[in-house]
Amino acid sequence: QSALTQPRSVSGSPGQSVTISCTGTSSDVGGYNYVSWYQQHPGKAPKLMIYDVTRRPSGVPDRFSGSKSGNTASLTISGLQAEDEADYYCCSFTGSTNMFGGGTKLTVL
Amino acid sequence: EVQLVESGGGLVQPGGSLRLSCAASGFTFNNYAMTWVRQAPGKGLEWVSSTSGSGDSTYYTDSVRGRFTMSRDKSKNTLYLQMNSLRDEDTATYYCAKDLRAQQVFPVCFDYWGQGTLVTVSS
Repeated sequence: QSALTQPRSVSGSPGQSVTISCTGTSSDVGGYNYVSWYQQHPGKAPKLMIYDVTRRPSGVPDRFSGSKSGNTASLTISGLQAEDEADYYCCSFTGSTNMFGGGTKLTVL
Repeated sequence: EVQLVESGGGLVQPGGSLRLSCAASGFTFNNYAMTWVRQAPGKGLEWVSSTSGSGDSTYYTDSVRGRFTMSRDKSKNTLYLQMNSLRDEDTATYYCAKDLRAQQVFPVCFDYWGQGTLVTVSS
């Protein structure tokens, strides 16, 4: 069970938009609309940001959006703010397990 | 307010055992599937195990199947992870997490997480 593929790092300036990709296979990301995204600040527990590919839990700013095309899901953060600097993980249902991505460190320049 | 509080972590020798607990409050525990996720120091998240709200169905990642057992005590609103035959690579912070949706056999997203408990496997 290998992790989903995410870029190790992305960066952007305040106010800009960044997109983090999450690539899997037809057995996970491509096969189910059960992709979720988590934000994790250092020393803290992860926080759910997006679920079911595109849905936002209450309280998550609409600057965060999700999408999927084929075997690749994406998290887009628009209007970057300093507090968005964190690690981001995707997660996908695989039919009988869940699988996380390797994580992406977002740096706000 | 939903709260998940893990306990039971610590230092254990390779081959040893440990039982983690996750005390849940603020929601109807029996209605929600629960999950353990771990994170090795400086590494990413790894899904470990999930169980349905009833506890009748439990799932494990390949690397822990046969060594770890996940269970839940409805009377105590507590989730457990019994870890046997521990290996160096099991060293991690272990988080318990609650399913977003009620009445799911298998949780696919996690809306509340505990603060984690550190397990260190070392001689």
